[in-house]
Amino acid sequence: SAVISQKPSRDICQRGTSLTIQCQVDSQVTMMFWYRQQPGQSLTLIATANQGSEATYESGFVIDKFPISRPNLTFSTLTVSNMSPEDSSIYLCSVAVNGANVLTFGAGSRLTVL
Amino acid sequence: GIQVEQSPPDLILQEGANSTLRCNFSDSVNNLQWFHQNPWGQLINLFYIPSGTKQNGRLSATTVATERYSLLYISSSQTTDSGVYFCAVPLYSGGGADGLTFGKGTHLIIQP
Repeated sequence: SAVISQKPSRDICQRGTSLTIQCQVDSQVTMMFWYRQQPGQSLTLIATANQGSEATYESGFVIDKFPISRPNLTFSTLTVSNMSPEDSSIYLCSVAVNGANVLTFGAGSRLTVL
Repeated sequence: GIQVEQSPPDLILQEGANSTLRCNFSDSVNNLQWFHQNPWGQLINLFYIPSGTKQNGRLSATTVATERYSLLYISSSQTTDSGVYFCAVPLYSGGGADGLTFGKGTHLIIQP
């Protein structure tokens, strides 16, 4: 399975600021997925990021709030824009290695917004 | 989209006990995965099991696709089994590994 590195692992941010989370994979993958896990809750898919095309966002998530970049087959970033305390969550990057159906997750980025 | 329900929501057991966790889903799926999230937040894929039965050490899983449920069995529980167990299926019927939707999870506590 793929090895995923996420940065930062945690951060404390001020209301109104933006933060970019990086996700690096040790192998080339077609699709990368960004999930959000609010405190004590399950995971919710934010968007799917394909290299060379716009990310596909799920209902309730918009590009202006969560812009995503996918410059190559091993890297993606998720920005959480104009943060509010409600954005305090763990943000997780995941991939399905090409040709496989099994999802692997990074360790997550735990954001606290004050 | 496909709905996923997990039960029980919480489970407290003594070390050495066995347990069965259940996942019901609302439509046919070609992908079902079980995950364990440890107390530090790391998600580990336990099984990819759209149908049939698989075993990995003390853990096993069975999916009955025609009846739209899956079971995760944990035998001889250890304290390291504590955490949250999630079941996940495609967001939409016919989906593969892309766009998984997760159940609310079963929070398992194993006491020494």
